Amino acid sequence: AQSVTQLDSQVPVFEEAPVELRCNYSSSVSVYLFWYVQYPNQGLQLLLKYLSGSTLVKGINGFEAEFNKSQTSFHLRKPSVHISDTAEYFCAVTPRGGSYIPTFGRGTSLIVHP
Amino acid sequence: DAMVIQNPRYQVTQFGKPVTLSCSQTLNHNVMYWYQQKSSQAPKLLFHYYDKDFNNEADTPDNFQSRRPNTSFCFLDIRSPGLGDAAMYLCATSGDTYNEQFFGPGTRLTVL
Repeated sequence: AQSVTQLDSQVPVFEEAPVELRCNYSSSVSVYLFWYVQYPNQGLQLLLKYLSGSTLVKGINGFEAEFNKSQTSFHLRKPSVHISDTAEYFCAVTPRGGSYIPTFGRGTSLIVHP
Repeated sequence: DAMVIQNPRYQVTQFGKPVTLSCSQTLNHNVMYWYQQKSSQAPKLLFHYYDKDFNNEADTPDNFQSRRPNTSFCFLDIRSPGLGDAAMYLCATSGDTYNEQFFGPGTRLTVL
C-alpha cells in the first residue's frame, strides 16, 4: 500500500516570491509520482510527473519538482509565483507495473497575495 | 482536442430523487474512474473500470451505481441522493502503464 503526505494544508505567499509545496510518500514498491493542480470549480490537471531518469522534472506554468529517493520526497517548486497560481495542488503516486489506482495527498492550497 | 467531457457541469436534485451524471472521452483510454470530492478534500475514488471490468471501492455506498456501455461513455447513478452526497463528481481516464490521469471538469451536485 502507498500513502502520501502533504505537510502543509495552506501556503500563503506574495506575488513574485518563490514557493515550495512539500510532498512525502511511503510505499513498499517503486512508484510513479505526479503533481496535479485544481483551479476553483474545475477538474484536476497534470502539472508534472516523475517516471524515471533525471530526478529534476519540469512541468507546465514554470513549476518543477525534484524526486529524492532517500527521503521519499517529491517537492514542488516555482521561483516566482503569479496571482493566477492560486489553486489547490495534489501530489499523487501510483505503483509501478500493477494497480491502476493512484493515491492522492490531501492537497495544499496555494494562496498568492498581490 | 482529445478530452474528457462531463455533463452537466451543475446538477441540482431533490433529496431522494435519482440522478445520473455522464462522462465521455475521446482519448480511447481503457480505464475510467469516478471520484467524489468534497470541499477542501482530496478526490475519493468511488469505482473504476478497466475496459468493461467493474471495480467497486469497498467503502462506496450501495446508493452509487455505475455503467460503462462502451469505451467512450461512463455514467454515475445516484439512486436516492442524500444531503451528504452533495459534492463535486470527477470523471478521469487513464490509458498507459504510468497511470497518468486525465480529468474532466467535474459535475457539481447540489441536493435540496
